[in-house]
Amino acid sequence: QQQVKQSPQSLIVQKGGIPIINCAYENTAFDYFPWYQQFPGKGPALLIAIRPDVSEKKEGRFTISFNKSAKQFSLHIMDSQPGDSATYFCAAAPPSARQLTFGSGTQLTVLP
Amino acid sequence: NAGVTQTPKFQVLKTGQSMTLQCAQDMNHEYMSWYRQDPGMGLRLIHYSVGAGITDQGEVPNGYNVSRSTTEDFPLRLLSAAPSQTSVYFCASSFDRNSPLHFGNGTRLTVT
Repeated sequence: QQQVKQSPQSLIVQKGGIPIINCAYENTAFDYFPWYQQFPGKGPALLIAIRPDVSEKKEGRFTISFNKSAKQFSLHIMDSQPGDSATYFCAAAPPSARQLTFGSGTQLTVLP
Repeated sequence: NAGVTQTPKFQVLKTGQSMTLQCAQDMNHEYMSWYRQDPGMGLRLIHYSVGAGITDQGEVPNGYNVSRSTTEDFPLRLLSAAPSQTSVYFCASSFDRNSPLHFGNGTRLTVT
């Protein structure tokens, strides 16, 4: 049973576009929602994270929007650049531990 | 400060062989974990440890053993390799539950 569902599986945008990646979770006990960025041949790296007490968090060109009632959260990348081309994973964790449950990933391609 | 170091980077095994994937971190992190990454399935937790001498199972523990004799090292043992264990394996660590996970660069394992 997939507890964190991520979509789309792949996404292609032009430079300057605003790709949006969506995730939905089932476990209402989750209280930590990070996004990870992964380049080929590398491990995932934390991009940005949010807790359910806020509805939006912005760090540079990356924004997380969080909808607690719908159990959904999304990543927006403003003014996307070819260097943003990577695989993005959403994840969630309960308050009792650091075990992350990951979404299936989105392969983003930003065309020059 | 090397972060999380995984060895080897690549490994090919025959069905039934055993091997150990090494993971070491030099950040004095208490929490360490192993994930496997398969296409379309994101990262799935195999085993984790909250400190030296303490380990627990994750989502997909069957066929794998771990031990944590020191804070720095968290090896993953495949007891009798199977083709279903062909995957990319990532080790990760964090200081505590409120700190981000740091991932190594992975070990790509092929079982024939």
